[in-house]
Amino acid sequence: DGGITQSPKYLFRKEGQNVTLSCEQNLNHDAMYWYRQDPGQGLRLIYYSQIVNDFQKGDIAEGYSVSREKKESFPLTVTSAQKNPTAFYLCASMGDSGRASDEQFFGPGTRLTVL
Amino acid sequence: AQKVTQAQTEISVVEKEDVTLDCVYETRDTTYYLFWYKQPPSGELVFLIRRNSFDEQNEISGRYSWNFQKSTSSFNFTITASQVVDSAVYFCALSDPNFGNEKLTFGTGTRLTIIP
Repeated sequence: DGGITQSPKYLFRKEGQNVTLSCEQNLNHDAMYWYRQDPGQGLRLIYYSQIVNDFQKGDIAEGYSVSREKKESFPLTVTSAQKNPTAFYLCASMGDSGRASDEQFFGPGTRLTVL
Repeated sequence: AQKVTQAQTEISVVEKEDVTLDCVYETRDTTYYLFWYKQPPSGELVFLIRRNSFDEQNEISGRYSWNFQKSTSSFNFTITASQVVDSAVYFCALSDPNFGNEKLTFGTGTRLTIIP
């Protein structure tokens, strides 16, 4: 089955530790995205990547880092510089970065709790 | 700047009632796309519809219908004969043509609860 997988579903970390969230897709999509969701707020874009080895900051990139070494993988690292990392993180992908009419497909999300 | 407003934070209706979720957007661009997504309790967002700014035809898909009115910058979503499975958070989103329409601005969502 084609889709997006995110692991783990729940993640607990101590304050001050870096943590990496996994996102893998087998849809052969060019573009991938990371969003953060907080209670009562919409999704906010952290980083996005339109092609391998290239990525751009979204609206709330501070305290986060990403890499895009492979088309199917777009891991997100939450660093100790992120002031309030506890949130629900969603990864998404889209088929062809040139086709604006495509919708984004979302993974099941990772709920990160910093203790 | 792009903005999407979903003024209804939470709505509760009794099963089989009709319900409309409002979405108002702001953009200076003439070409853009609008989307609706459903987020069930499992957390994954499910795509429902996209509409480009040049297509103001209303759309119906089963019990779902969408009313796009460019004159009022609104893209409302109606569920007819609601069912318990419709309980979810619904998000409206607007694309940003300055980024090839790839960047989406989401509203804050409307939590819909269908009471059996």
